Amino acid sequence: AQSVTQLGSHVSVSEGALVLLRCNYSSSVPPYLFWYVQYPNQGLQLLLKYTTGATLVKGINGFEAEFKKSETSFHLTKPSAHMSDAAEYFCAVILPYNQGGKLIFGQGTELSVKP
Amino acid sequence: DSGVTQTPKHLITATGQRVTLRCSPRSGDLSVYWYQQSLDQGLQFLIQYYNGEERAKGNILERFSAQQFPDLHSELNLSSLELGDSALYFCASSVTGHEQFFGPGTRLTVL
Repeated sequence: AQSVTQLGSHVSVSEGALVLLRCNYSSSVPPYLFWYVQYPNQGLQLLLKYTTGATLVKGINGFEAEFKKSETSFHLTKPSAHMSDAAEYFCAVILPYNQGGKLIFGQGTELSVKP
Repeated sequence: DSGVTQTPKHLITATGQRVTLRCSPRSGDLSVYWYQQSLDQGLQFLIQYYNGEERAKGNILERFSAQQFPDLHSELNLSSLELGDSALYFCASSVTGHEQFFGPGTRLTVL
């Protein structure tokens, strides 16, 4: 069964520092992986996705993630944090379409950015 | 703006009541998904519709039901509400079955 684990429910970084949010997945089939961001009192916005092809995926707002099959990981990074990056981040894996195509989310990681 | 709209934005009601949440998908998207976000359960899939037909069910209570209409909008009906049903309810739509676009959510508070 597909599942997602996000390591660390809360991460705090200084402005300008590297952001690293960790995500490990479990999947019996080649996974499609996603990172979503949720700003306070808002819905979820897709940051980036991995389906097939290049394992280093670039997303919006300077974020990127690398799919590592050997480590079953899909960690999210950004070289330099901005105050506006403070939000909750969700890693997700999608079930195959013949199983409903639903997203399985991790527990979320709240990112705080200190000035 | 994802193109997915949800109404109402906020809903406050009492235990035992029934409410209806509405979702309009992005133009051209045939799939609609409903998710519940709560502090203790996180983000959980409830149900999916594709072009008017139920496609998949998740952790949806029997007191909850949904439907998708011919114009592709969807409604989530929650009945016999309990305090624990207080949560954010998101609708998402998709055309590919992969990338899902989320609405702003409906915050339900049951008092």
